[in-house]
Amino acid sequence: DIQMTQSPSSLSASVGDRVTITCRASQSISSYLNWYQQKSGKAPEILIYAASSLQSGVPSRFSGTGSGTEFTLTISSLQPEDFATYYCQQSFSSPRTFGQGTKVEIK
Amino acid sequence: EVQLMESGGGLVQPGGSLRLACSASGFTLSSFSMNWVRQAPGKGLEYVSGITANGGMTFYADSVKGRFTISRDNSKNTLYLQMTSVRTDDTAIYYCVKVENYYGHSWGHGTLVTVSS
Repeated sequence: DIQMTQSPSSLSASVGDRVTITCRASQSISSYLNWYQQKSGKAPEILIYAASSLQSGVPSRFSGTGSGTEFTLTISSLQPEDFATYYCQQSFSSPRTFGQGTKVEIK
Repeated sequence: EVQLMESGGGLVQPGGSLRLACSASGFTLSSFSMNWVRQAPGKGLEYVSGITANGGMTFYADSVKGRFTISRDNSKNTLYLQMTSVRTDDTAIYYCVKVENYYGHSWGHGTLVTVSS
């Protein structure tokens, strides 16, 4: 199975900050990498698919880059509604493994 | 509007069985692969199982292989997860997920499974 490793596990940031989360795969997954946002008590929602494609309706302050084994999710200017936990997931092969999550908290 | 409604969760004893169902509406179930994803209390997301649109191929996490079975009845717009020989570490919220373009496009609200004696 492909292992997905996110860093950091958590971070504290202020409104307006630029935030970057990294996800590494244990083997090359091309661009089969997705990012989800999960707010407390809610189901996850897709933000970015295929490493860099922004899901319809998602604000443009979210962006994704990378291919192969290293990927990043960037929030260009953190907003109050962005405080949540973010997960990467590979969809290159089954089982479609997730990273352990990155919790973004208010500083 | 896509809607996924999970049901069948509850309290089950270790070693017992449970069948989860996911009722789909707002789209043609037979056109999409579907997944089950779970989340233990206070923990991250874990892929459990997946099934292709026609049910011809199924996939499982190692942690549930041989104990859980995913299936679908496209005529009833319903996805299932048969859970057997459950363990305490199967305690989680179980989400039904519609797959589109290799990603989890739509998620249900989840159903809680608690394994405890």
